[in-house]
Amino acid sequence: EAGVTQFPSHSVIEKGQTVTLRCDPISGHDNLYWYRRVMGKEIKFLLHFVKESKQDESGMPNNRFLAERTGGTYSTLKVQPAELEDSGVYFCASSQLDLTGELFFGEGSRLTVL
Amino acid sequence: DAKTTQPPSMDCAEGRAANLPCNHSTISGNEYVYWYRQIHSQGPQYIIHGLKNNETNEMASLIITEDRKSSTLILPHATLRDTAVYYCIVRGNTNAGKSTFGDGTTLTVKP
Repeated sequence: EAGVTQFPSHSVIEKGQTVTLRCDPISGHDNLYWYRRVMGKEIKFLLHFVKESKQDESGMPNNRFLAERTGGTYSTLKVQPAELEDSGVYFCASSQLDLTGELFFGEGSRLTVL
Repeated sequence: DAKTTQPPSMDCAEGRAANLPCNHSTISGNEYVYWYRQIHSQGPQYIIHGLKNNETNEMASLIITEDRKSSTLILPHATLRDTAVYYCIVRGNTNAGKSTFGDGTTLTVKP
């Protein structure tokens, strides 16, 4: 069974540009989460999808971040326009049942904003 | 979420048991204790979780004190590949994905 996959693994962009990160959860997992770790800080929750609906987006830092999950399968996280402080590693995780809390994480997408 | 406290680092000899402590004195009755680890720059990996009873799986054992204010993750026979940052997270059963990972414990397994 394929795990959670994320693309790209690394993206380097200029300040002000746009980047879109993609996450493919494990097939059949209704719950999808985005997290990020910015330099030197802890891994922090961004948002949670249940199927195609945003269940909780309280961790999204500002309106430059837009997450979508059309059709309830893969998800995208777009940063527009990117700022220097957005640099970090963005992790996606999925779970079959929110009840157990067991999350399966992808390898992350490293974003570098110059 | 209840706050957790972990030592920043620990060493363990290869083949020996690694015992990683976690304090969660403000845990509430419906909150579970979860453990994840992150090896180098990979994504976090789920290890084990429990409510009040001790738990064991193929990776580790979880010992939770009777008052639930602390717990210990046990890797029975640590290998070099177990070197990682270990995170103890306390979270309610619902919306458990909204976890705060904290700084964790960096476990270094030495030959």
